[in-house]
Amino acid sequence: EAQVTQNPRYLITVTGKKLTVTCSQNMNHEYMSWYRQDPGLGLRQIYYSMNVEVTDKGDVPEGYKVSRKEKRNFPLILESPSPNQTSLYFCASSSYSENTEAFFGQGTRLTVV
Amino acid sequence: LAKTTQPISMDSYEGQEVNITCSHNNIATNDYITWYQQFPSQGPRFIIQGYKTKVTNEVASLFIPADRKSSTLSLPRVSLSDTAVYYCLVGVKLIFGTGTRLQVFP
Repeated sequence: EAQVTQNPRYLITVTGKKLTVTCSQNMNHEYMSWYRQDPGLGLRQIYYSMNVEVTDKGDVPEGYKVSRKEKRNFPLILESPSPNQTSLYFCASSSYSENTEAFFGQGTRLTVV
Repeated sequence: LAKTTQPISMDSYEGQEVNITCSHNNIATNDYITWYQQFPSQGPRFIIQGYKTKVTNEVASLFIPADRKSSTLSLPRVSLSDTAVYYCLVGVKLIFGTGTRLQVFP
């Protein structure tokens, strides 16, 4: 089954404690992307990756890092989380070379206290 | 990047047809138009995709005029479960606009 898997689904952490949210896809997609969604707002892109070892900033990259060492994985790293990073995070993947639909993860609800 | 503009919200009643129009004036020649549906606290899910003219699947139709500067998502006979936010995306970089919040009333 084609899917994008995010872990964890829920996370409560304290300010300044480094954390990683994992994202994995099983469709051999070149393109992967991270978003945050806050109440009443749409999905804002944090970082995206066009392929292995190719990443670029989205609209709201401050406070986040990503890596793309393998095609299937695209972890989101918060080196020093702050309360303003409390949000709902989504990972997505798609095959831009085939113009097919994008698949989204189930979301990670992060709370930073 | 092609920016999209949609109405912020729409209301409808069960059984009616709903048409949501999206404007994308700067669409590139190679860009496809894709619509997604999102329920609260869930990831968006694919509804329909098209390049030109009309595309129809089991849940919706997508109308794209010849100049491709806009597109219209048509949902036939909506039900309460169609209450959601609908996003129009253009191109491969999955840039989301504000979306259209559709509320279906009984």
